[in-house]
Amino acid sequence: DARVTQTPRDKVTEMGQEVTMRCQPILGHNTVFWYRQTMMQGLELLAYFRNRAPLDDSGMPKDRFSAEMPDATLATLKIQPSEPRDSAVYFCASGRGLAGYGEQFFGPGTRLTVL
Amino acid sequence: AQSVTQLGSHVSVSEGALVLLRCNYSSSVPPYLFWYVQYPNQGLQLLLKYTSAATLVKGINGFEAEFKKSETSFHLTKPSAHMSDAAEYFCAVSVVNAGGTSYGKLTFGQGTILTVHP
Repeated sequence: DARVTQTPRDKVTEMGQEVTMRCQPILGHNTVFWYRQTMMQGLELLAYFRNRAPLDDSGMPKDRFSAEMPDATLATLKIQPSEPRDSAVYFCASGRGLAGYGEQFFGPGTRLTVL
Repeated sequence: AQSVTQLGSHVSVSEGALVLLRCNYSSSVPPYLFWYVQYPNQGLQLLLKYTSAATLVKGINGFEAEFKKSETSFHLTKPSAHMSDAAEYFCAVSVVNAGGTSYGKLTFGQGTILTVHP
């Protein structure tokens, strides 16, 4: 059963520290999405990639967030420096892009707490 | 641009009662529509999808949704609620071009939290 995996599942860190979250998309999927979910803002799209190229990262605070896909099996989201307002659950999702209808498959999320 | 609106941020039903979660869409081209479910402390799981093959779509766990073009709706229903259905439900529409090709990006509704009482 193919699934999106995310690590770590939980992360507690102190303000100012660097945080790196990793995602392994489903094999064969060529689009990858990063979302952030909070009680106040709901589900927000931070960035997405197609064929490893960033297509839209307008949802990310540019000064502290960065997203990359070093290869087709790994996507990373980095926050440096982290702030308490970054506390949220971060989801990665993957899909078949132009070859599908747009459905996305979500990972279990990384719960980030910044103290 | 495509968008969806979920009517009601919270819905409460009794176990065994009908579940009805409402979703209306806006799209200038035939849409692809989805319902996702999110159980506590989990990611979103695809419940069902409409891709124009049939207007009544059946999904997992006994849920179904009917696409009604005249009402621009895609409401989610289940005849008899179970305690395990308690979760948050998201309606989503695929962003497509004028030719109906999906860009692979979804626009989500704000979510509806379903509570099931014994």
